[in-house]
Amino acid sequence: QKEVEQNSGPLSVPEGAIASLNCTYSDRGSQSFFWYRQYSGKSPELIMFIYSNGDKEDGRFTAQLNKASQYVSLLIRDSQPSDSATYLCAVKGGTGTASKLTFGTGTRLQVTL
Amino acid sequence: EAQVTQNPRYLITVTGKKLTVTCSQNMNHEYMSWYRQDPGLGLRQIYYSMNVEVTDKGDVPEGYKVSRKEKRNFPLILESPSPNQTSLYFCASSLLDRDNEQFFGPGTRLTVL
Repeated sequence: QKEVEQNSGPLSVPEGAIASLNCTYSDRGSQSFFWYRQYSGKSPELIMFIYSNGDKEDGRFTAQLNKASQYVSLLIRDSQPSDSATYLCAVKGGTGTASKLTFGTGTRLQVTL
Repeated sequence: EAQVTQNPRYLITVTGKKLTVTCSQNMNHEYMSWYRQDPGLGLRQIYYSMNVEVTDKGDVPEGYKVSRKEKRNFPLILESPSPNQTSLYFCASSLLDRDNEQFFGPGTRLTVL
């Protein structure tokens, strides 16, 4: 079982719609959860992080965390063509790995006009 | 400007010819890490360092070496590169705290012929 799992996509949504990206993780000791956006050939850039159960909102982005279900998601409201990228879920602080960041393989999002 | 720099950005080399990819950060971060990114496999950690003279293996350390003689620098050394080390490499750094994001360098695209 992969430590951090994401659907590779592509996830295609029309402009203006809500994009929902999902991620599950295996280590119950994981403490904080990050969403990165990566454009093709570029380096990952942080969108937001979350460490408490529930929702965290930042502009058009909402991260949702459910530690009991070992599930974290990212919602993008009013999706724009510029949101088309690969979204990487990353998990930090699992058992014996205080600072290590473990990445999923990413979900490719396509926002269509 | 706070940043992580890597050099070179692109490198084509031949099997067995030793090479070094440099990484430097100006944010006084304790934690530094090297990743490789391959299609379908995501970002995988090669080595990491939690402070000067403290380094440890990540998930895919075979064929790589690192050193951390200064806090700002974390070079990646390939003593005898092989074609299976053809990949996109990223250096990243962060503070050690749980919720601090990792900042990524621009990436180094390495081709080993």
